[in-house]
Amino acid sequence: EVQLVESGGGLVKPGGSLRLSCAASGFKFDTYSMNWFRQTPGRGLDWVSSITWTGDKAYYAESVRGRFTNYRDNAKNSLYLQMNSLRAEDTAIYYCARLINGYQDHWGQGILVTVSS
Amino acid sequence: DIVLTQSPGTLSLSPGDRVTLSCRASQRVDSLYLAWYQQKPGQSPRLLISATSTRATGVPDRFSGSGSGTDFTLTISRLEPEDFAVYYCQQYGNSPRYSFGQGTKLEIK
Repeated sequence: EVQLVESGGGLVKPGGSLRLSCAASGFKFDTYSMNWFRQTPGRGLDWVSSITWTGDKAYYAESVRGRFTNYRDNAKNSLYLQMNSLRAEDTAIYYCARLINGYQDHWGQGILVTVSS
Repeated sequence: DIVLTQSPGTLSLSPGDRVTLSCRASQRVDSLYLAWYQQKPGQSPRLLISATSTRATGVPDRFSGSGSGTDFTLTISRLEPEDFAVYYCQQYGNSPRYSFGQGTKLEIK
């Protein structure tokens, strides 16, 4: 069974940093590209970042480029999102998701990130 | 940027009803890269339809997708109680890489 489990969320002050992790199991992790998305009641679902199966290329939404880093450790079946210079508008539920041909066939349960003083 | 607009925002329906949800794109979307998701409260999105009309594994055949160009639809032929949820369309492209509609909420009348 495919499983994606996010961790590392929580409350952080504006300007602070947080690292999200996504532990993958039940599939051959190193053959899939992966995505991060986030969701808020006001903005809905937004794409954050994508990473290739090798980890050699990552792509970012304009809103997070230069502040967030998406990387992976295939030996540990894990995906990471390093988030720096966090802003109030980064507050959201963050999801990792497995990517196939432009869509996401499995999603994690989501992890809440709250940026507030 | 490609913007997806879903309509209506909310629908009040009864079990057994047939419903068609609309997703309109601001620019042409490749049919291979249009998907639909279902999300229930407190849960993550669940893939229903990929490539405009291909049902994901385990999705009942009462769900069907169609469309091309800028207009796409998700049809549920006969609503079951578990189908009351929010439905999102999503496209994959270049700018932005992925975008979602704002969602259509199906609620029980």
